[in-house]
Amino acid sequence: GNSVTQMEGPVTLSEEAFLTINCTYTATGYPSLFWYVQYPGEGLQLLLKATKADDKGSNKGFEATYRKETTSFHLEKGSVQVSDSAVYFCALAYSGGGADGLTFGKGTHLIIQP
Amino acid sequence: NAGVTQTPKFQVLKTGQSMTLQCAQDMNHEYMSWYRQDPGMGLRLIHYSVGAGITDQGEVPNGYNVSRSTTEDFPLRLLSAAPSQTSVYFCASSPPGSEALHFGNGTRLTVT
Repeated sequence: GNSVTQMEGPVTLSEEAFLTINCTYTATGYPSLFWYVQYPGEGLQLLLKATKADDKGSNKGFEATYRKETTSFHLEKGSVQVSDSAVYFCALAYSGGGADGLTFGKGTHLIIQP
Repeated sequence: NAGVTQTPKFQVLKTGQSMTLQCAQDMNHEYMSWYRQDPGMGLRLIHYSVGAGITDQGEVPNGYNVSRSTTEDFPLRLLSAAPSQTSVYFCASSPPGSEALHFGNGTRLTVT
């Protein structure tokens, strides 16, 4: 079946540091890939997505590139802020994703220290 | 613009009790789903619906029932609560063909 593997957390960084959160997936065919973010006490929000190989999703300074050859979708940001502290989920889906849901990774808790 | 509204925010139940977690959305989304979030497990799909009158099981449906009588509402029923159902429950919705799920703020359920 499909699966998503994320690096274990928590990941603790200082403000303005470079961020990478690794994500790899196992799936047949060509899924769409997503990063969702969950701030404390809230539900998940879509951060960015990519729907085909070599696509780059970007939003709020975050980027991720769909790498089919390495089955990866690593999340990066050049300079993190305290407000980026949250839990980040990598996910995959087929054909729209809304009907039978997404397959989520276990989440990576990111802590940014001032 | 309410989005996806879940009630209650917190609930404590005793083993064997029943309850309904409410979920309502005002975006006229056809697709709705329920997830549970457990430490170290990520989110797991419980049940989903592609439209009024249509529901289906997800990855972990046992112990839960759903119905979808209207586009707006998608309640989740626990028939006989068990400690293993202690979790945070999220409802989500999306329009057809969209991967962008809109999540509610969750219900934290504790079963003692």
